[in-house]
Amino acid sequence: GAGVSQTPSNKVTEKGKYVELRCDPISGHTALYWYRQSLGQGPEFLIYFQGTGAADDSGLPNDRFFAVRPEGSVSTLKIQRTERGDSAVYLCASSFGPPPYNEQFFGPGTRLTVL
Amino acid sequence: AQSVTQLDSQVPVFEEAPVELRCNYSSSVSVYLFWYVQYPNQGLQLLLKYLSGSTLVESINGFEAEFNKSQTSFHLRKPSVHISDTAEYFCAVTGSGSNYKLTFGKGTLLTVNP
Repeated sequence: GAGVSQTPSNKVTEKGKYVELRCDPISGHTALYWYRQSLGQGPEFLIYFQGTGAADDSGLPNDRFFAVRPEGSVSTLKIQRTERGDSAVYLCASSFGPPPYNEQFFGPGTRLTVL
Repeated sequence: AQSVTQLDSQVPVFEEAPVELRCNYSSSVSVYLFWYVQYPNQGLQLLLKYLSGSTLVESINGFEAEFNKSQTSFHLRKPSVHISDTAEYFCAVTGSGSNYKLTFGKGTLLTVNP
């Protein structure tokens, strides 16, 4: 497919568990972003990768959240010791180059539910 | 810090009526402004953007938005809506002061009724 894909589409877990969310960006896109969208809110920035490195991780809420992009393509968002407040839709986006002039293309999201 | 306020959480209109979705922003530096749309069961898509130049920008499906620096607004308008325009619309801002992070508003649900 030509778009950004995210897996799984839905994830239900129990409080305290560890989860990994995967993002496959559009081929050739060097920039990758993670956002979190809580119910009734707009997307909230978490982290931005340019290539393999995190150019800006100032949106990660605490040290339970971590993201990697080891080969500059696929990215994984990792959440340790999940809490009920982590329940949200996690969105990934990619762009051909850095912001703001390069359009961000969004994936369909992963809906995370922490019981 | 930058922020975006979308004044209406829901806007119901009848088909072929005009619509305006309001967006105000705050930022201490030069800004770039965006409207994204999310159709039911689909991902976010860029609708239109203001980066520089003409303050009036248009989308391919008849929406337009005007950057008004003095009023710090970027309202979205369409003179005649279709049922297929039913979606959630998000206004977003970025700028050098935020390291070009996108800050989104809470969204406005536009419902077009027959």
